[in-house]
Amino acid sequence: GAGVSQSPRYKVAKRGQDVALRCDPISGHVSLFWYQQALGQGPEFLTYFQNEAQLDKSGLPSDRFFAERPEGSVSTLKIQRTQQEDSAVYLCASSPNTGELFFGEGSRLTVL
Amino acid sequence: GENVEQHPSTLSVQEGDSAVIKCTYSDSASNYFPWYKQELGKRPQLIIDIRSNVGEKKDQRIAVTLNKTAKHFSLHITETQPEDSAVYFCAAKRDSWGKFQFGAGTQVVVTP
Repeated sequence: GAGVSQSPRYKVAKRGQDVALRCDPISGHVSLFWYQQALGQGPEFLTYFQNEAQLDKSGLPSDRFFAERPEGSVSTLKIQRTQQEDSAVYLCASSPNTGELFFGEGSRLTVL
Repeated sequence: GENVEQHPSTLSVQEGDSAVIKCTYSDSASNYFPWYKQELGKRPQLIIDIRSNVGEKKDQRIAVTLNKTAKHFSLHITETQPEDSAVYFCAAKRDSWGKFQFGAGTQVVVTP
């Protein structure tokens, strides 16, 4: 595809449910990032992959959050036992080795 | 760790006037400083970036300046137009493969 694709665009979950958010990066982009963006705030770093290796997961807020990129392309962010404070837009971005980030449209998660 | 502060949080300007947004960063090893524009409900998109070996960069009506000694960089928009209304985020990154740290954003409103 032409850009970074994320699905679902919108997800409503009941508190305690597990959710999985998918990111399809731009083909050939080595780096992939996940960010969490609360309403009116800047993107907050969650985790970063270089190919299939997860090089930095220091931003994951708890052990309920898990990300993977098993073949170095598509990535999934999984949130277990969702809480209301998990409500946010989850942005995925990919990057070639130039440094520029290309963002997806985001997945808006609402936890009731 | 890296911390990026951005000011002001909101900026209202008359069409045709200039807008300036300032960011400071804490990690002196940061060497790449992009600016992203995010329209309501849309993905952040890169508008201009600067690397640490350059003090200023210009692209039509937008420019970015970098002061490495003081660890701050600024976005300048001249001859503002209503379509410049958006949230602008600055970011800083340490190296070609590291994570981006974003500022909290500046809501720019250009009034006709």
